[in-house]
Amino acid sequence: SQQGEEDPQALSIQEGENATMNCSYKTSINNLQWYRQNSGRGLVHLILIRSNEREKHSGRLRVTLDTSKKSSSLLITASRAADTASYFCATDPGWSYGKLTFGQGTILTVHP
Amino acid sequence: DAGITQSPRYKITETGRQVTLMCHQTWSHSYMFWYRQDLGHGLRLIYYSAAADITDKGEVPDGYVVSRSKTENFPLTLESATRSQTSVYFCASHGQGASPLHFGNGTRLTVT
Repeated sequence: SQQGEEDPQALSIQEGENATMNCSYKTSINNLQWYRQNSGRGLVHLILIRSNEREKHSGRLRVTLDTSKKSSSLLITASRAADTASYFCATDPGWSYGKLTFGQGTILTVHP
Repeated sequence: DAGITQSPRYKITETGRQVTLMCHQTWSHSYMFWYRQDLGHGLRLIYYSAAADITDKGEVPDGYVVSRSKTENFPLTLESATRSQTSVYFCASHGQGASPLHFGNGTRLTVT
């Protein structure tokens, strides 16, 4: 079963706009991670947020985590065509040797 | 990033054949994982390994066999391929602790 459920499944925006993707999960976590996947490639780690953190930034990325609601969001600001990819959240319960459970992903398309 | 490589990139095989997917990493990471990616299911964990000679089942292990005689290699074998095993297979690794996964570029397997 998928721990993370992402919303929306697909998002289409214009270059320069912000993109927000949401992830909900069901059980307790040690950390939550976001990955990006370009077409035909493997996943690339973007950012990790621990359960005791509420917000984290990395360049144009901003991640929030609300453990009371079991949800996270990924915001990409000032999007670029190169941001076009699928984005996945993944949860780590902390006791499982790093076995992550992935959501089904959000397909982001940024139009130039 | 040549740290984790998968081979072959594409494979077509027939039902009932045995096929082995290779994974090699150059970081000496302890933990290695095999995921399959299917539309509608996201990524699902097949098997993982915490160290050489230590392997364990993930969410969808049936029909697959793994071995890990050397830290850097983690081959995945389909003993008797079925059409339901048509998928994209990703190998991943990470070091100790809550560190992010590093993914290979995947093997696209088609079982006819």
